[in-house]
Amino acid sequence: DSGVTQTPKHLITATGQRVTLRCSPRSGDLSVYWYQQSLDQGLQFLIQYYNGEERAKGNILERFSAQQFPDLHSELNLSSLELGDSALYFCASSATGLTETQYFGPGTRLLVL
Amino acid sequence: GDSVTQMEGPVTLSEEAFLTINCTYTATGYPSLFWYVQYPGEGLQLLLKATKADDKGSNKGFEATYRKETTSFHLEKGSVQVSDSAVYFCALSPYQGGSEKLVFGKGTKLTVNP
Repeated sequence: DSGVTQTPKHLITATGQRVTLRCSPRSGDLSVYWYQQSLDQGLQFLIQYYNGEERAKGNILERFSAQQFPDLHSELNLSSLELGDSALYFCASSATGLTETQYFGPGTRLLVL
Repeated sequence: GDSVTQMEGPVTLSEEAFLTINCTYTATGYPSLFWYVQYPGEGLQLLLKATKADDKGSNKGFEATYRKETTSFHLEKGSVQVSDSAVYFCALSPYQGGSEKLVFGKGTKLTVNP
């Protein structure tokens, strides 16, 4: 158990819909990362937050957005969903985000029908 | 942009066999290099890392050496166990000594048979 929790574990929805994925980092970790793992694209970094502020952006679509709240939990919002958004979404956390190990949660599996 | 290429799987070995999973990278500057492992139904776990050229990362019998001249970071283990069955990902961070903005390879699935 990494100490990072993600909810829900599974999510099934329809094209055009909007969903919110939630992540609670390890206790004391200030930095949160989101990743997407799909069969065709592999594992891709989406976005990083540090202590409530966006720190780095990767291959995140404009239809996706994220935020980190004062209690340090983070949410990833996916809107206008397409079939190709079906994937496993991982959250990871680290102490400050510079040199420390990232600890990954178990992921949320999203299926868009 | 930065990229990581690792050998296509799946790889199937017998217990106690020698393992090599090849990984090469393309990056500007001086990246840090990582191997992550993903067991079935779980998130990724850091297996080992190296932050500069000629560094050797090691953990649980696995080793990898950061070779700048060949831009490689091959994973090796002398004697695999059934419990090593998992998917292995090679990754880089563009920042020397850093762990941010990880770029991952496609992953190599390893199955070890008793």
